[in-house]
Amino acid sequence: NAGVTQTPKFQVLKTGQSMTLQCAQDMNHEYMSWYRQDPGMGLRLIHYSVGAGITDQGEVPNGYNVSRSTTEDFPLRLLSAAPSQTSVYFCASTYGGGTEAFFGQGTRLTVV
Amino acid sequence: QQQVKQSPQSLIVQKGGISIINCAYENTAFDYFPWYQQFPGKGPALLIAIRPDVSEKKEGRFTISFNKSAKQFSLHIMDSQPGDSATYFCAASIGGATNKLIFGTGTLLAVQP
Repeated sequence: NAGVTQTPKFQVLKTGQSMTLQCAQDMNHEYMSWYRQDPGMGLRLIHYSVGAGITDQGEVPNGYNVSRSTTEDFPLRLLSAAPSQTSVYFCASTYGGGTEAFFGQGTRLTVV
Repeated sequence: QQQVKQSPQSLIVQKGGISIINCAYENTAFDYFPWYQQFPGKGPALLIAIRPDVSEKKEGRFTISFNKSAKQFSLHIMDSQPGDSATYFCAASIGGATNKLIFGTGTLLAVQP
């Protein structure tokens, strides 16, 4: 049982490049979310999904796209990376309804 | 605007002492208040959580105290150990939505041997 797996662990991008952060969970959770963590700001919700084919925006969605074609996977896409997107990104999954949210190990992204 | 305000930003406690971290909120619709623990290079992990129908919840050395009228809640770590050294985040959500957590800014705890 791997839980929530994020890849890659580290990534350096040039401004304007695109990339996809991968997130997969093997707990059959319907609910998945993406957060970014910045110093002094805690974790902020980017996008979330309540099931395959259903996504919605969180607090800081600009510059990011998501899709949910399967229950297991919830990729986060940066279409044109900006230095302001330098951050640590966490994916989380939960069964929902007040149950525990499980987080991945994170992806540290640097945009130069 | 930070919906969940956390203090202090950092905390140094001696081994065996009590660590106290405080959080305050404004939105009375919040009804689920978890605390997460994060070690360097790792993702946050749920430590303990409380709902506003109780004033206190204890799990081992960790206790959440909840004051609904003051809209405040706090984490107490009794008999703090060096292994407790980590960053702690409080969070809140509406309708128990653990997929849409609103986090505090975090507290870096260092427990000195």
